[in-house]
Amino acid sequence: QVQLVESGGGVVQPGRSLRLSCTASGFSFSRYAMHWVRQAPGKGLEWVAVISNDGRDKHNADSVKGRFTISRDNSKNTLYLQMNSLRAEDTAVYYCARDLNIGPADYYLDYWGQGTLVTVSS
Amino acid sequence: EIVLTQSPATLSLSPGERATLSCRASQSVRSYLAWYQQKPGQAPRLLIYDASNRATGIPARFSGSGSGTDFTLTISSLEPEDFAVYYCQQRSNWPSITFGQGTRLEIK
Repeated sequence: QVQLVESGGGVVQPGRSLRLSCTASGFSFSRYAMHWVRQAPGKGLEWVAVISNDGRDKHNADSVKGRFTISRDNSKNTLYLQMNSLRAEDTAVYYCARDLNIGPADYYLDYWGQGTLVTVSS
Repeated sequence: EIVLTQSPATLSLSPGERATLSCRASQSVRSYLAWYQQKPGQAPRLLIYDASNRATGIPARFSGSGSGTDFTLTISSLEPEDFAVYYCQQRSNWPSITFGQGTRLEIK
């Protein structure tokens, strides 16, 4: 069955960096676009970034542009989110999610990991 | 940015009742709207995409309707496991996709 497992969260000081990972199994990872979505404590969902199945096309939300970078290694079935210049408002649970359909991103998210908590605090 | 406004913020109903949740977009999103369910401590689950298509494995009591700016998620007869938070999401102006603020469906 489809599984997505995030890791790499933790407590980090403002201005520092963190890299999240998402390991996928149970499906052909290289055929799907992948997303990161975050959820601040007690708040709603915010889309963060998307990467195409081959890794060539990437897009970020304006709120993280220039600070976060999405990437993937299809040989390792792993998705990444490099987060630099972290701010208090980046505190959230970060989910990786699979795009609904094979090929170009549909921007509907059909499978989600359980999330990893990032806390930005001094 | 397209803003999605969900109403009501909280809906109190009993098992067996019909639930009607609303999502309104600040501009037309055509039929490019999805609904998700999220239970406490869990990841969201895709219910409906393209306004009215049920995702794989979603029970038939869940249905979606609407187009343009006004959308509805209907749960025909509430089961105990349906009490959760529901989010709508648009993909009309990808890559800038947005979510609504959520409707909490609670047991009356």
